[in-house]
Amino acid sequence: DTAVSQTPKYLVTQMGNDKSIKCEQNLGHDTMYWYKQDSKKFLKIMFSYNNKELIINETVPNRFSPKSPDKAHLNLHINSLELGDSAVYFCASSHGTGTQETQYFGPGTRLLVL
Amino acid sequence: ELKVEQNPLFLSMQEGKNYTIYCNYSTTSDRLYWYRQDPGKSLESLFVLLSNGAVKQEGRLMASLDTKARLSTLHITAAVHDLSATYFCAVYTSGTYKYIFGTGTRLKVLA
Repeated sequence: DTAVSQTPKYLVTQMGNDKSIKCEQNLGHDTMYWYKQDSKKFLKIMFSYNNKELIINETVPNRFSPKSPDKAHLNLHINSLELGDSAVYFCASSHGTGTQETQYFGPGTRLLVL
Repeated sequence: ELKVEQNPLFLSMQEGKNYTIYCNYSTTSDRLYWYRQDPGKSLESLFVLLSNGAVKQEGRLMASLDTKARLSTLHITAAVHDLSATYFCAVYTSGTYKYIFGTGTRLKVLA
């Protein structure tokens, strides 16, 4: 069974559309994350949720909204897509604290905005 | 403002050699992470370091943290081809909830 899964794996869409990326973890973790990796491979955290509470909310356009219906899911909704949103989006979950903390990443969703 | 710099950006090395990747950060922070990413793949957590002088080792990789110098190193011992990947460090500061990645070091181990 996949620990952290994302759907879809690929997403090609037009500018101005609204899209969602789903993330599910079956590990029982309390904390989930969304990361963005751009075409130059730079990584940036976007959001972090702990027990459905928003912990980290980096400076991202408010067109991006995370939604956590329960502890096992953290979906990413994007409104009015722009060319610059093209990137790979990774979901992750983690358990443990301090030096025992371990993150598990999903396979990524490659988003291409045309 | 928290900034994280990694060097080198690209590293090509022969199998069997040792080398070190450096991660400098600009402000006091709580946690330092190391990740690995294979080409076209997702990320894998390697280490989390918290305290000054912390050292962690997994196989041929050893990470250390010097909080006074704001420096972490990832040391590769007797490199093998399977270690070819991009390695990222990231720094987290709980006071400001900032979590910043380094630019990554693309490591290529030549047989």
